[in-house]
Amino acid sequence: QVQLQESGPGLVKPSQTLSLTCTVSGGSISSVGYYWTWIRQHPGKGLEWIGYIYYSGSTFYNPSLKSRVTISVDTSKNHFSLKLSSVTAADTAVYYCARDPGGIAAAGEYYFDYWGPGTLVTVSS
Amino acid sequence: SSELTQDPAVSVALGQTVRITCQGDSLRTYYASWYQQKPGQAPVLVIYGKNNRPSGIPDRFSGSTSGNTASLTIAGAQAEDEADYYCNSRDSSGNHLSVFGGGTKLTVL
Repeated sequence: QVQLQESGPGLVKPSQTLSLTCTVSGGSISSVGYYWTWIRQHPGKGLEWIGYIYYSGSTFYNPSLKSRVTISVDTSKNHFSLKLSSVTAADTAVYYCARDPGGIAAAGEYYFDYWGPGTLVTVSS
Repeated sequence: SSELTQDPAVSVALGQTVRITCQGDSLRTYYASWYQQKPGQAPVLVIYGKNNRPSGIPDRFSGSTSGNTASLTIAGAQAEDEADYYCNSRDSSGNHLSVFGGGTKLTVL
């Protein structure tokens, strides 16, 4: 059974860089066809896709966040990471990591089958 | 367009059937996936692809698509189905971007 777990600071100061890690267990992060994804949810609001990194290393980001986001993978630790720079209070949210098997699913099928429990990150001085 | 549009709120009487819809141009190209989220919990995948349910999801949940509209149907809604529901698909730009609908709050009366 695949499990994902987010970790990182729960409090980040404005203008600093938010850094989170998602550790994957029960499967290899190098497995062909998976998109390793970050999603966030502002308090009381809907889900927002941040971006993902494909197993090949290609990255894709939400255009609204692209200038501040970096997603990377560490295959030796079986985890992937999110860095969001120049944060403001508007980046306060619950951050989720998730897996999308779109690269090996049927044509036109993309979905997030496994999610981490989420971690609340507050941006405040 | 990269937007998916959902009704903010829908209600259903206990045991009745309810349909939650999601509209967007990308749904002409990609299937929607649907997620159930209860307060304080991570979203859970309930429908993906043409009409597929992950293991453990009751068969009262089903999905369909017609044109630019995807639908999640709950046949015989139960009290435990009260939750927020989100649709998601790839963006129709072909740039491998992903987009969520704004979510629908389902109330079971």
